[in-house]
Amino acid sequence: AQRVTQPEKLLSVFKGAPVELKCNYSYSGSPELFWYVQYSRQRLQLLLRHISRESIKGFTADLNKGETSFHLKKPFAQEEDSAMYYCALSGSWGKLQFGAGTQVVVTP
Amino acid sequence: NAGVTQTPKFQVLKTGQSMTLQCAQDMNHNSMYWYRQDPGMGLRLIYYSASEGTTDKGEVPNGYNVSRLNKREFSLRLESAAPSQTSVYFCASSDSGSVTRFYEQYFGPGTRLTVT
Repeated sequence: AQRVTQPEKLLSVFKGAPVELKCNYSYSGSPELFWYVQYSRQRLQLLLRHISRESIKGFTADLNKGETSFHLKKPFAQEEDSAMYYCALSGSWGKLQFGAGTQVVVTP
Repeated sequence: NAGVTQTPKFQVLKTGQSMTLQCAQDMNHNSMYWYRQDPGMGLRLIYYSASEGTTDKGEVPNGYNVSRLNKREFSLRLESAAPSQTSVYFCASSDSGSVTRFYEQYFGPGTRLTVT
């Protein structure tokens, strides 16, 4: 069965500290994984997708098929990174299976 | 471009009442989706429409119906609202197809629904 697990509900970090959001998945085929972000009072929006192998707003995420993980990392957190982050797995017709989400709070 | 729009933004219903949530997109996307967002559960797919004229159930379809009115519009109907349907509802659209799973989904602003 398709499943996405985000074990941390809340991650509180200091500005300038590294931040890592964990995401593990189960999927029988070749996974397509995304990170979506929801800033306060804004729409849910795509942060990055594994197929692009890009860095967005300083965030990177590497797909590790052996560990079935797609953790999101940033070396130096900023206050504007405070948001809700969702890991998502894409199935047929682009249907997304979301994790429960991780609320990130960056304190100065 | 407005992107994905949803109406209404807020709604309070009494148990047993019905209502329709409206969604429209102006990006000429083929696929549209309805999700509900609940604390601690993330977003869960209710129904989706892979293309105009087709709809299919997602993970939590019970108590809901949908209509893909045309390529732009995809509505979600609650026939007899229940307190368990209190949630935030999001509509999304995408160019995704059966073999193209890596397209971005664009989300609407959400509808906050309370059923008392």
